[in-house]
Amino acid sequence: NAGVTQTPKFRVLKTGQSMTLLCAQDMNHEYMYWYRQDPGMGLRLIHYSVGEGTTAKGEVPDGYNVSRLKKQNFLLGLESAAPSQTSVYFCASTDGLASQETQYFGPGTRLLVL
Amino acid sequence: AQSVTQLDSQVPVFEEAPVELRCNYSSSVSVYLFWYVQYPNQGLQLLLKYLSGSTLVESINGFEAEFNKSQTSFHLRKPSVHISDTAEYFCAVSEPGGNEKLTFGTGTRLTIIP
Repeated sequence: NAGVTQTPKFRVLKTGQSMTLLCAQDMNHEYMYWYRQDPGMGLRLIHYSVGEGTTAKGEVPDGYNVSRLKKQNFLLGLESAAPSQTSVYFCASTDGLASQETQYFGPGTRLLVL
Repeated sequence: AQSVTQLDSQVPVFEEAPVELRCNYSSSVSVYLFWYVQYPNQGLQLLLKYLSGSTLVESINGFEAEFNKSQTSFHLRKPSVHISDTAEYFCAVSEPGGNEKLTFGTGTRLTIIP
């Protein structure tokens, strides 16, 4: 039981390049989330999903796209990376009554955009 | 809309001294409250949460938090800290009944001085 895993752990991009971050969970959770963490700003929600095939915008969705084709996977895409997207990205998942349940976080992906 | 304020971005404390990390929230409805901890180079993990009932909640490693509705606060306390408590602590809030999202504070970095 690996919990929540994220791939890759670290990536350097040039401005304008694209990439996809993969989040996988083996807990059969319905809800999955992508956050970014920046110094002094805490965690901000980018996009989330309440089930397979569904996605919704969070607080800071611009410049990102997501897909949830399989229940266990939640992909975060950057079509044209910008230096402002340099951040640490965390994926999380939960189940049940999501507003009161524990969110389980992955180890994070550190992204540097030059 | 809900929001969370953690006024202290950094708190240095001597080992074995007590500590209080402050959290205030704003919401027009009832709330669920959480404290998450992030150890260096790791993802977040749940420390404790308040859903209902007793306003004092405890974690397995000696932390406790008290929900104070009149002061809209959920401060985290520990009577005697250890080096291993060095981490960043995030307060978070969600709203019962249909909102699947957590709103995080900006975090408090707890540094234990030997």
